Amino acid sequence: DIVMTQSPDSLAVSLGERATINCKSSQSVLYSSSNKNYLAWYQQKPGQPPKLLIYWASTRESGVPDRFSGSGSGTDFTLTISSLQAEDVAVYYCQQYYNTPITFGQGTRLEIK
Amino acid sequence: QLQLQESGPGLVKPSETLSLTCTVSGGSISSSVYYWGWIRQPPGKGLEWIGSIYYSGTTYYNPSLKSRVTISVDTSKNQFSLKLSPVTAADTSVYYCARHPSYCSSINCYLRWFDPWGQGTLVTVSS
Repeated sequence: DIVMTQSPDSLAVSLGERATINCKSSQSVLYSSSNKNYLAWYQQKPGQPPKLLIYWASTRESGVPDRFSGSGSGTDFTLTISSLQAEDVAVYYCQQYYNTPITFGQGTRLEIK
Repeated sequence: QLQLQESGPGLVKPSETLSLTCTVSGGSISSSVYYWGWIRQPPGKGLEWIGSIYYSGTTYYNPSLKSRVTISVDTSKNQFSLKLSPVTAADTSVYYCARHPSYCSSINCYLRWFDPWGQGTLVTVSS
């Protein structure tokens, strides 16, 4: 199984500041034939299901604010929120779909400082 | 707009069978480009993929649960279902159903991200 490890486990950022969440996979999730990274990011607010933010490591889902961006390749990935808003308080998960079993990171809790 | 809704008992006794159904509305479960999956989340913890099914009945399971899981589909009702047996307290979780895009070659199918998700249903395993 591909193990996904996120860092940090929790993060407190001031409103308007940048938030950065990291995700590392135990093996590369880059498919050389397509040159695509098989990685997605989700946001989960309390009492709600996860919401897809980004797929192919850097493609923003329709309707997701452009302050959210994804980057990275191979085994190291980053979710960046460029200017934190109050509504961004949530737990964020990365997920690999390079192979089965599909696996998720343990989650990063983002709070307001 | 596609919507998914989980349904089933909220309380199951240890050693018995957990049975849930996901009803899809606003779209057809028989689409050739999507798989339909189950994911669970123990209270306060992270996400675990259980397995996924194609409208034809082809399934992929998480090996960690495979011996206890059966996922089936009923295209006439636009539903897919999860059975987990036998259950223990460790199976207490919020269970989500979700759609995920897929690409199928002549050899294999490749599952993608999950979107959208159902609201989830809490299943507690307790006597």
